Amino acid sequence: GAVVSQHPSRVICKSGTSVKIECRSLDFQATTMFWYRQFPKKSLMLMATSNEGSKATYEQGVEKDKFLINHASLTLSTLTVTSAHPEDSSFYICSASPQGRAGVQYFGPGTRLLVL
Amino acid sequence: GDSVTQMEGPVTLSEEAFLTINCTYTATGYPSLFWYVQYPGEGLQLLLKATKADDKGSNKGFEATYRKETTSFHLEKGSVQVSDSAVYFCALSPDSNSGYALNFGKGTSLLVTP
Repeated sequence: GAVVSQHPSRVICKSGTSVKIECRSLDFQATTMFWYRQFPKKSLMLMATSNEGSKATYEQGVEKDKFLINHASLTLSTLTVTSAHPEDSSFYICSASPQGRAGVQYFGPGTRLLVL
Repeated sequence: GDSVTQMEGPVTLSEEAFLTINCTYTATGYPSLFWYVQYPGEGLQLLLKATKADDKGSNKGFEATYRKETTSFHLEKGSVQVSDSAVYFCALSPDSNSGYALNFGKGTSLLVTP
């Protein structure tokens, strides 16, 4: 089946630093990738939708200058949390939609971010 | 806006018990409905889906029927196993104008004991 990886799986950083999370589709090309944030005992919240080669579309309330998304190729999207603060601590999950199969999403295992 | 509401857990059942996890939705247009499962330490996996009213999705003994009249998509399994212990998410995909982003429920944790 289609596999999506995320790196790193866990990261701890100091307040004020930036953290980059990678999302890769390993065996398919993804036209569209999605970034979600999951709070404890809460649902996944869509942060942004990124299409290869164009700017990401952010959901209302998500700061685009805070959460930088780059989708430079059909197999890689990155989320950079800039100047991270403790309130950014969360579980970040990406998903990828295969080229030509809109409506299908494969999810990565998630990245746990802890900002001290 | 579109949203999904699912029953809160955790749900604890004995092996071979009958499972129901309720899910209702609010949507404009004609959404597609999904159940995803997240096993411990793993990413979300699609369990089943239904794309129009009265469709029944099924997989691994689980099934759910898209009920437009009650705006529901309840997940059922006749006889659960210990290996079914996981978190289950009901999700909705609005019409194609949304870019196929998913709206998720809060998730229901299921623990099946031997």
